[in-house]
Amino acid sequence: NAGVTQTPKFQVLKTGQSMTLQCAQDMNHEYMSWYRQDPGMGLRLIHYSVGAGITDQGEVPNGYNVSRSTTEDFPLRLLSAAPSQTSVYFCASRGQVNTEAFFGQGTRLTVV
Amino acid sequence: GENVEQHPSTLSVQEGDSAVIKCTYSDSASNYFPWYKQELGKRPQLIIDIRSNVGEKKDQRIAVTLNKTAKHFSLHITETQPEDSAVYFCAASPGWAGSYQLTFGKGTKLSVIP
Repeated sequence: NAGVTQTPKFQVLKTGQSMTLQCAQDMNHEYMSWYRQDPGMGLRLIHYSVGAGITDQGEVPNGYNVSRSTTEDFPLRLLSAAPSQTSVYFCASRGQVNTEAFFGQGTRLTVV
Repeated sequence: GENVEQHPSTLSVQEGDSAVIKCTYSDSASNYFPWYKQELGKRPQLIIDIRSNVGEKKDQRIAVTLNKTAKHFSLHITETQPEDSAVYFCAASPGWAGSYQLTFGKGTKLSVIP
């Protein structure tokens, strides 16, 4: 049981490049989400999904795209990277309301 | 939407002393309040949580209290140890069916001085 697996751990992009951050969970959780973490800003919700085929925007969705074709996978796409997207990104999943959220190991992204 | 305020942003205590971190929330529908600990370079991990039908919960040196009327909840760590040094996040979530979103506070960096 691996929990939530995120790849890559580190990435450097040039401005304007695109990339996909991968997230997979093996706990059969319906809810998955992406957060970004910036110093002094806490964890801010980018996008979330309550099941396969269903996604919605969080607090800071601009510049990011998501899809959920299976219960297990929830990739995050950066369409055209900008320096303001330099951050640490976390994927998380929850099985039920009022239960623990499990986080992936994080992706440290630098856009130059 | 929900708004969670967390104080203080930094906290330094001597080893063996107690530490208290406080959070307030805005949405009266919220009824699940977890606390996460994040060590440097690691992922956030749940250390304790409380639901709105409970006023206090303890787990060894860690306790959380909830005041639903005042919309605030607090984390108490007693007999602090150097390994308690980390960033702590509070969060709030509505408990009704289909609502999974967690709204986080901005975090408290706790330093325990040996």
